[in-house]
Amino acid sequence: AQSVTQLDSQVPVFEEAPVELRCNYSSSVSVYLFWYVQYPNQGLQLLLKYLSGSTLVKGINGFEAEFNKSQTSFHLRKPSVHISDTAEYFCAVSRAASGGSYIPTFGRGTSLIVHP
Amino acid sequence: DADVTQTPRNRITKTGKRIMLECSQTKGHDRMYWYRQDPGLGLRLIYYSFDVKDINKGEISDGYSVSRQAQAKFSLSLESAIPNQTALYFCATSAYTGELFFGEGSRLTVL
Repeated sequence: AQSVTQLDSQVPVFEEAPVELRCNYSSSVSVYLFWYVQYPNQGLQLLLKYLSGSTLVKGINGFEAEFNKSQTSFHLRKPSVHISDTAEYFCAVSRAASGGSYIPTFGRGTSLIVHP
Repeated sequence: DADVTQTPRNRITKTGKRIMLECSQTKGHDRMYWYRQDPGLGLRLIYYSFDVKDINKGEISDGYSVSRQAQAKFSLSLESAIPNQTALYFCATSAYTGELFFGEGSRLTVL
């Protein structure tokens, strides 16, 4: 079975400070990795994804994440946050299922709260 | 127009009623999903479908059923709604890698 662990349920930070949201996963098979963002009262949208290649991936709004296979982690970072980054962030992992398709599993989410 | 459309967006109903949430997509994807979101629990998979003739249970399928009427349509039913099914429900589609495209969500309240 696969699990996705987001180590912090809530991360408060001041505007213009750096932030890291942590994500670890357990899987014995090949995976694809994603971060999604959910702004208040909205649906989820993709921030960034790792499918293959460079382990450092860049996404929208200045976010980036690094895939670490040995530590099974995919932490999300931003060097300087804005008030508008206040949102819920979800890490997701897709694992290979029967027939070759990939099924996404989500972590419980991290609430990023940016204070002025 | 949105790529993934869910109806209704909000619904209040009573215990024991039958409820259907509908989802349609214009992404052209074969794969469609229904997720449930509860505070502090993230998104949990209810059902997924890889094509019209393929329906699979997710981790929390009890109390729910689905119908894949066409490649573009995937509906979720609650045959007899109960209060602990009060939640935000998301339909999503995906390409092969599992990158998801979400609808705006359907907020269901069961009294």
